[in-house]
Amino acid sequence: NAGVTQTPKFRVLKTGQSMTLLCAQDMNHEYMYWYRQDPGMGLRLIHYSVGEGTTAKGEVPDGYNVSRLKKQNFLLGLESAAPSQTSVYFCASSSQTGRYTEAFFGQGTRLTVV
Amino acid sequence: AQSVTQLDSHVSVSEGTPVLLRCNYSSSYSPSLFWYVQHPNKGLQLLLKYTSAATLVKGINGFEAEFKKSETSFHLTKPSAHMSDAAEYFCVVKMSNYGGSQGNLIFGKGTKLSVKP
Repeated sequence: NAGVTQTPKFRVLKTGQSMTLLCAQDMNHEYMYWYRQDPGMGLRLIHYSVGEGTTAKGEVPDGYNVSRLKKQNFLLGLESAAPSQTSVYFCASSSQTGRYTEAFFGQGTRLTVV
Repeated sequence: AQSVTQLDSHVSVSEGTPVLLRCNYSSSYSPSLFWYVQHPNKGLQLLLKYTSAATLVKGINGFEAEFKKSETSFHLTKPSAHMSDAAEYFCVVKMSNYGGSQGNLIFGKGTKLSVKP
């Protein structure tokens, strides 16, 4: 019963390097989200997707790109990492955007950019 | 615009005493409200959600929250704290689907609960 799985769980990058975070869900959910969590800031939405082949910007999209080529996967890319992108990244999915439908979260990816 | 404010960044209680974590919301529409919990180095887990069926909502692990429209509050309570309740708690409001927001979640900044033996 995997739910939402994020890969990798930890990563250290040097400034300017690139990487891709993978989110996979096995619940056949239409909606997927990427959040970042910083101390004292709660979670802030980076990008989201309302279905295969669609993406949209959230609150803090700069420096990130996303793709949703398959319904079950949502990729978050950093083309040129910066220290300000040091954070914990969470992926979430939801079956619909109904008023009372909750989101399910992955375990998080802790990224450090040095 | 919808927003949520958690009034305390850190709450400390003794084991066996009541827990109160405060949350106020702002919403132009009847809000959709949730409480999530995050244990150290873990993902987020849903504690409970307000569905308008009842103002007092029961969640997992003995937690409850009461929706008070007149006070725009959705405070989280538990009668007796347990050591395993030590975690960070997030109050969340769900955006309406108007304007293409697609039901995105807006998080409060979190309240860290410490439980002393």
